[in-house]
Formats: sequence, structure tokens, C-alpha cells
Amino acid sequence: AQSVTQPDIHITVSEGASLELRCNYSYGATPYLFWYVQSPGQGLQLLLKYFSGDTLVQGIKGFEAEFKRSQSSFNLRKPSVHWSDAAEYFCAVVSGTGGSNYKLTFGKGTLLTVNP
Amino acid sequence: NAGVTQTPKFRILKIGQSMTLQCTQDMNHNYMYWYRQDPGMGLKLIYYSVGAGITDKGEVPNGYNVSRSTTEDFPLRLELAAPSQTSVYFCASSYAGNAGGNTIYFGEGSWLTVV
Repeated sequence: AQSVTQPDIHITVSEGASLELRCNYSYGATPYLFWYVQSPGQGLQLLLKYFSGDTLVQGIKGFEAEFKRSQSSFNLRKPSVHWSDAAEYFCAVVSGTGGSNYKLTFGKGTLLTVNP
Repeated sequence: NAGVTQTPKFRILKIGQSMTLQCTQDMNHNYMYWYRQDPGMGLKLIYYSVGAGITDKGEVPNGYNVSRSTTEDFPLRLELAAPSQTSVYFCASSYAGNAGGNTIYFGEGSWLTVV
């Protein structure tokens, strides 16, 4: 069965610093990978997704992620963090391409705190 | 541009009570999902549906029921509420076919407390 691991439960960075959130997946076939962000008390907003093609994916709010098949990773990065980026970030993988298998498996999330 | 709409946003239930969380989407998506989110645990799939009249269990279905009589609506029913069902519930939808790779959109969430 597929699984997603986010090794860092909580990360604190200073405003303006760079950010990398780690995500490792376990899935036998080519994965479809997503990063979602959740602000306190809010729903989930899609940051970016990887389906195929270029392994460096650009998303909203200046985020990007790189798919590395050899490392089974899909790490999220941002060159300069803003205070408004403080939120919880979830990595997720879709199992299957369709049929009854098209559903998301989530990591447990990484909480990002941004210091002024 | 409504997307996925869930109601209610907040609810307090007493143990043993029943309630239905409503979910509707206006994107003509064939797939719909219910997840629950507990602190430090990410989101777990409760039930999902690949089309009207078809539903299936996810990872944590016990204590819940669903139905899918229309493409738009996917209500989640709690029959006998228990404290373990205190959680945040998210409905989601997607268009999914054999090609795969389509975004799954989420509602704003429903905060449920069972006391």
C-alpha cells in the first residue's frame, strides 16, 4: 500500500530565510504527488502537483517542488519565506490513475512557524 | 465559483446523537470523498464515491455511512456519535478517469465535537 512520510513535524524559520519541507513516498507505480497548505481554521489549498514531465514543479505563492524518483522524494521549497506562509503543509500521493484507486493518501503534515 | 461546499461548519453533538454532514459540489466531478483530520495524524479517508450510486469504504469507515444519489451531493451520516468522532471533516471532489492526474478539491471543513 502507498504511504507518505513527512519527517519533520514542526519547522521554524526566520522571515526571509529559505525553506525546504521534506516528503517521501512509497508507491510502486508512477506517483501523482501533491502539496497542500492549510492555514489555521481553514480548508486545504493546493500549492502544486506533479503528474509527469518536468520534475521541477512550480506552484502558487512562490513555492516549488522537485520530484526525485531515485530518492522517492517530493520536497517543497521556497527561496524566501514570508510571515504569511506560517501554516501546516501536507504532502499527498494518489493511488492509481482511476477507477476505485483514485484517492489521496496524506502525510501527517509539517507545521511551519515563521519568526519575524 | 462555489466549488465544494460543506455544512455545517461547526457542530456540537451529544454522545449517541445522530447527524448528517452535507457536501455538495458544482464542478460536475464524478469522484467525491470524505476525510477526517485529527491533530498530528494528517487526513484519513472515511468513504469515497466514484459516481452516483457507487460508494466504498476508505481507511476509517466505522461509525459512518454515506450515500450518493446525485453527482453533486455526498452526505456523511453519523448514526450514534461517539467522542472518538470529534474531528474536523473535509469533503473533497475530483474528476478522475483512466488518465488520472486530476486535482482533488477540498471544502472548508466541518468542525465536530462530541460531548
